Amino acid sequence: EPEVTQTPSHQVTQMGQEVILRCVPISNHLYFYWYRQILGQKVEFLVSFYNNEISEKSEIFDDQFSVERPDGSNFTLKIRSTKLEDSAMYFCATRTGGAWNSPLHFGNGTRLTVT
Amino acid sequence: ELKVEQNPLFLSMQEGKNYTIYCNYSTTSDRLYWYRQDPGKSLESLFVLLSNGAVKQEGRLMASLDTKARLSTLHITAAVHDLSATYFCAVDRSGNEKLTFGTGTRLTIIP
Repeated sequence: EPEVTQTPSHQVTQMGQEVILRCVPISNHLYFYWYRQILGQKVEFLVSFYNNEISEKSEIFDDQFSVERPDGSNFTLKIRSTKLEDSAMYFCATRTGGAWNSPLHFGNGTRLTVT
Repeated sequence: ELKVEQNPLFLSMQEGKNYTIYCNYSTTSDRLYWYRQDPGKSLESLFVLLSNGAVKQEGRLMASLDTKARLSTLHITAAVHDLSATYFCAVDRSGNEKLTFGTGTRLTIIP
């Protein structure tokens, strides 16, 4: 079964550094999302991306965050200057464009630790 | 603002017993999803519920949706240890955009 692939699985960075989290969506999926989950808490929406542009973003997704799909395959989340509170598991998720009732398919996540 | 609440937050039950997890949401929604998450792992889609009265079953799990009451339930029948996980419901109000997740229910099945 096709999978959403995320790299790296674990990223440790110092406060103030830039990080880029990468996601390879399922090939025929057109809608892309980033969610995050702080340890032991619920999953929170960050941003949705369709047709090469952001379609919706949450209050968490401030100017320090950006997304892009530079080469038509990888979907990336960049945090420009990381803060301690950015430590969380970041999940990429994708869904098909044709099936309006299709569920999101989540990747295995990147655990980001900011020290 | 859409709010999604689950109860209980923690559930410890014996193998062989039945129990129900409840998911309430605050505003009209198009779709409701149930996901399972094992510790340190990703979210696995269990059910997609699309209309009032929808009921779906897979093995020992059955999910239902009452859009008028803004309530979904996840019923566990004759629990087995393999079902130990955290279960999240999530609501999609706007059609293609964000899911709003519930707080999660951590289920532990005791032999």
